[in-house]
Amino acid sequence: SQQGEEDPQALSIQEGENATMNCSYKTSINNLQWYRQNSGRGLVHLILIRSNEREKHSGRLRVTLDTSKKSSSLLITASRAADTASYFCATDAWGGGSRLTFGEGTQLTVNP
Amino acid sequence: NAGVTQTPKFQVLKTGQSMTLQCAQDMNHNSMYWYRQDPGMGLRLIYYSASEGTTDKGEVPNGYNVSRLNKREFSLRLESAAPSQTSVYFCASTPGGMGYGYTFGSGTRLTVV
Repeated sequence: SQQGEEDPQALSIQEGENATMNCSYKTSINNLQWYRQNSGRGLVHLILIRSNEREKHSGRLRVTLDTSKKSSSLLITASRAADTASYFCATDAWGGGSRLTFGEGTQLTVNP
Repeated sequence: NAGVTQTPKFQVLKTGQSMTLQCAQDMNHNSMYWYRQDPGMGLRLIYYSASEGTTDKGEVPNGYNVSRLNKREFSLRLESAAPSQTSVYFCASTPGGMGYGYTFGSGTRLTVV
């Protein structure tokens, strides 16, 4: 079964709004990562947060991690039509040998 | 920088045929991975190679074999293709060790009829 589960499965917003996606996982982790996938393309690494970190920023992206709840969230601020894509969380579990386990993804649509 | 290159981009096979998916990276990464992506199921790990000379099974290895030919290349072979192997296959690489993101190829879309 998938280590990460994402919520919501699909999200539709207007340009300029913020988008929040959530990820829950089951086991202890070394780090958690977020990826973006545009339609028909490969995945692109966005941000990595380590298990001893609680929040991380990169441009318009903000990621939080709550290891006590085994959950993470990805916030995209001031969204743009170009942000339309699928977003995946992936966990690097303790003892997993740096193998990432991916969630099923959130499909984000940003309407102009 | 090419990053991770996968060939072919598209392939149609008949049930029972064999083929090899090729993957090469030019970033001097130690670890390489093969995933498959199916609708509604995210990405699932087929095989991985933590370093040159080693390979290990992932979550869904049945029906596949791999070869880490050298540090740059990691191939995935389907010996006798089945319709259940219709999927999009992604190769990825990372420097190795903890704390690094993956670099993905653009994928191979495989249809088995």
